Amino acid sequence: DADVTQTPRNRITKTGKRIMLECSQTKGHDRMYWYRQDPGLGLQLIYYSFDVKDINKGEISDGYSVSRQAQAKFSLSLESAIPNQTALYFCATSGTRGEAFFGQGTRLTVV
Amino acid sequence: SQQGEEDPQALSIQEGENATMNCSYKTSINNLQWYRQNSGRGLVHLILIRSNEREKHSGRLRVTLDTSKKSSSLLITASRAADTASYFCATGIGETSGSRLTFGEGTQLTVNP
Repeated sequence: DADVTQTPRNRITKTGKRIMLECSQTKGHDRMYWYRQDPGLGLQLIYYSFDVKDINKGEISDGYSVSRQAQAKFSLSLESAIPNQTALYFCATSGTRGEAFFGQGTRLTVV
Repeated sequence: SQQGEEDPQALSIQEGENATMNCSYKTSINNLQWYRQNSGRGLVHLILIRSNEREKHSGRLRVTLDTSKKSSSLLITASRAADTASYFCATGIGETSGSRLTFGEGTQLTVNP
């Protein structure tokens, strides 16, 4: 089983709909992250969390919210999806050594 | 805005040749990391170099870090077709090592058989 699991892997949704992307990890890490990747570009940080009670905005948090339900679970919500939120979304975790472990990504299309 | 910028954006070489990718960044860092991404898949960590280190090796990978120039390079020696991927540098920023990782836009490496 993967250390970092994202669900769903693919999702098509309509403009205005609320959608949640889920992430769970078995690494035992405190730090979790949500990134967005647009075609041909690098990753932009949406939100990050250092522990269950800590949530921080990243570079592009507008239009997104997160919930850290447990050490192992970190979900990302799009309150009202819009077409320019069509992208590949990655969840990641990191421990004290600093290296990050990524999920396989969720490909989200907003029509 | 992206903290790191990779150069070149794309690189095409023949199998057996060496590939060099560069990364520049803007602010003080705790560490710099390199990741690899095969098309549309998750990123895989390759190597981490701390701000007080100047060079690090891992197999066919060699990373250098020059904090005075705010730059790093990744060298892949004796490249193979399987090395074809996008390579990203990421800077660790924050109070503790790697607290927040900021990525560049990547270098697309193509290794021709």
